[in-house]
Amino acid sequence: AQSVTQPDIHITVSEGASLELRCNYSYGATPYLFWYVQSPGQGLQLLLKYFSGDTLVQGIKGFEAEFKRSQSSFNLRKPSVHWSDAAEYFCAVASYSSASKIIFGSGTRLSIRP
Amino acid sequence: NAGVTQTPKFQVLKTGQSMTLQCAQDMNHNSMYWYRQDPGMGLRLIYYSASEGTTDKGEVPNGYNVSRLNKREFSLRLESAAPSQTSVYFCASSDRQANTEAFFGQGTRLTVV
Repeated sequence: AQSVTQPDIHITVSEGASLELRCNYSYGATPYLFWYVQSPGQGLQLLLKYFSGDTLVQGIKGFEAEFKRSQSSFNLRKPSVHWSDAAEYFCAVASYSSASKIIFGSGTRLSIRP
Repeated sequence: NAGVTQTPKFQVLKTGQSMTLQCAQDMNHNSMYWYRQDPGMGLRLIYYSASEGTTDKGEVPNGYNVSRLNKREFSLRLESAAPSQTSVYFCASSDRQANTEAFFGQGTRLTVV
């Protein structure tokens, strides 16, 4: 069965510092992987996605993620965070090969220190 | 371009009441999903529909039923609401053949008292 683990519940970084949010997945076949962001009281916005090809994926707002099959990871990175990046971030894995199920992690809340 | 539309946006129910959450998408997607979001638990999949005419249980289906009315619409029904079903509910759709991500509605905030 698919599953996603985001081990960090809450992270605080200083504005201008680099960021890495961790995501580990469990899935038997080739996964389709996503990162979404949710600002308080808002819906979910896609930051980036990986389906195949280059394992380093660029997204919106300066985010990138790297798919590492050997580590079953899809960590999200940003070289320099801005106060507006404060939000909750969700990693997700899809099984499009069969039943089209998309499973989300429990999320990481990001706070920015001025 | 509306995308995924959920109604209602807010609802308060008394324990034992029933209600149906409506969801419609105008992107011609074949797959649709219902999630609930609770603090610290992320989004948990309630039911999904890979294509018109099919539905399957997700991670937390107990207490819910769904209907894939046609390709556009996927409704979620609470037959006898319980306080544990107080949550924010999100509907989403995707196109498996086109390998798209899930597109989300704006959510329904449901409170069961």
